[in-house]
Amino acid sequence: KQEVTQIPAALSVPEGENLVLNCSFTDSAIYNLQWFRQDPGKGLTSLLLIQSSQREQTSGRLNASLDKSSGRSTLYIAASQPGDSATYLCAVRTNAGKSTFGDGTTLTVKP
Amino acid sequence: DAGITQSPRHKVTETGTPVTLRCHQTENHRYMYWYRQDPGHGLRLIHYSYGVKDTDKGEVSDGYSVSRSKTEDFLLTLESATSSQTSVYFCAISSLENTEAFFGQGTRLTVV
Repeated sequence: KQEVTQIPAALSVPEGENLVLNCSFTDSAIYNLQWFRQDPGKGLTSLLLIQSSQREQTSGRLNASLDKSSGRSTLYIAASQPGDSATYLCAVRTNAGKSTFGDGTTLTVKP
Repeated sequence: DAGITQSPRHKVTETGTPVTLRCHQTENHRYMYWYRQDPGHGLRLIHYSYGVKDTDKGEVSDGYSVSRSKTEDFLLTLESATSSQTSVYFCAISSLENTEAFFGQGTRLTVV
């Protein structure tokens, strides 16, 4: 059974810092990995989708990498802003139609 | 924002009563999903649909049933609600297999 772990559970940084969020998974036979953002009381917003054949994806200040062999993905946020404060979740898909989500990392960016 | 609406947004119901949650989309996406989100468990897939009248079970399907008679609507039914089904329920849609592109705002269900 796929298990997805996100460490740390919470992270607080000053504005302007570059930061890395981690996602690890136990079964390396994945189809894709997706990073989401969730604001309090809201649904999830897809940030980046990395297919199993890809090593990384970039969108603006966000960069996600994937290392299947080690079972790890990282989400890099450059020049963090208070508006980046949210919970970030990764989801790993191994079988068609079913994803396993991590519990998320709650990020607070202080002005 | 993607056209995906969940209703109701909040509901309190008594143990043993049936409850139906609705997910409505205006995007004409083929794939629809129901998840529940609980502290310490993340999001867990309940059921999903890959077309009209085509559905399959997810990780935590016991006690839940679904129906999709139209492309735009995916209904989640708790036949006899239990306190363990108190949770926040999210619907997701996608035009592509193997990805959840858009999530609804969630339905907070409390079973007392």
